[in-house]
Amino acid sequence: AQKITQTQPGMFVQEKEAVTLDCTYDTSDPSYGLFWYKQPSSGEMIFLIYQGSYDQQNATEGRYSLNFQKARKSANLVISASQLGDSAMYFCAGPTGGSQGNLIFGKGTKLSVKP
Amino acid sequence: GAGVSQTPSNKVTEKGKYVELRCDPISGHTALYWYRQSLGQGPEFLIYFQGTGAADDSGLPNDRFFAVRPEGSVSTLKIQRTERGDSAVYLCASSLTPGRNTEAFFGQGTRLTVV
Repeated sequence: AQKITQTQPGMFVQEKEAVTLDCTYDTSDPSYGLFWYKQPSSGEMIFLIYQGSYDQQNATEGRYSLNFQKARKSANLVISASQLGDSAMYFCAGPTGGSQGNLIFGKGTKLSVKP
Repeated sequence: GAGVSQTPSNKVTEKGKYVELRCDPISGHTALYWYRQSLGQGPEFLIYFQGTGAADDSGLPNDRFFAVRPEGSVSTLKIQRTERGDSAVYLCASSLTPGRNTEAFFGQGTRLTVV
């Protein structure tokens, strides 16, 4: 079974600065991918970014990018130019196994953006 | 609607009562997932539907929990003889097709409180 670890319960960042949220994973699968979701106080999980283990380049979606390091089994989320609206919980997730899409999530990191 | 819709948004019930939580996925999405999120934790997988059938119910905690998706669209999660430990946010997600690398879209969840 895969395990997702997020070691930062909470993070603070100044508005307009960049922040890195850590995620490490443990899997025996030769092929896997990792997702990042944002959960604001409204409760909805919002997909941010995905990268597969065989992707050659780190994924980028607007201000979000993944720093994927297979040797270290880490897939850290980088948010550039933080905005007040980025304040939320952030979850890293990966597939549990098999061909279906059910996910296992980390415990999350609460990001607070300061004005 | 454009997104995954869950009703009710909040449900308060007495211990021992029966509850039903509804999920209306994005139109055309064949895969549907239920997750449970306890306070301070990431979502935990409960059950996965592909079409009308439950392809994986390994996450259901016990036989008090049951889910159906009779027409391959709307799904209902049913909890019998509710216990205080069932209090959590129940999240539903759907994806166009099942797959380990497929983005899932989440609803805003149903917050269940058992008193």
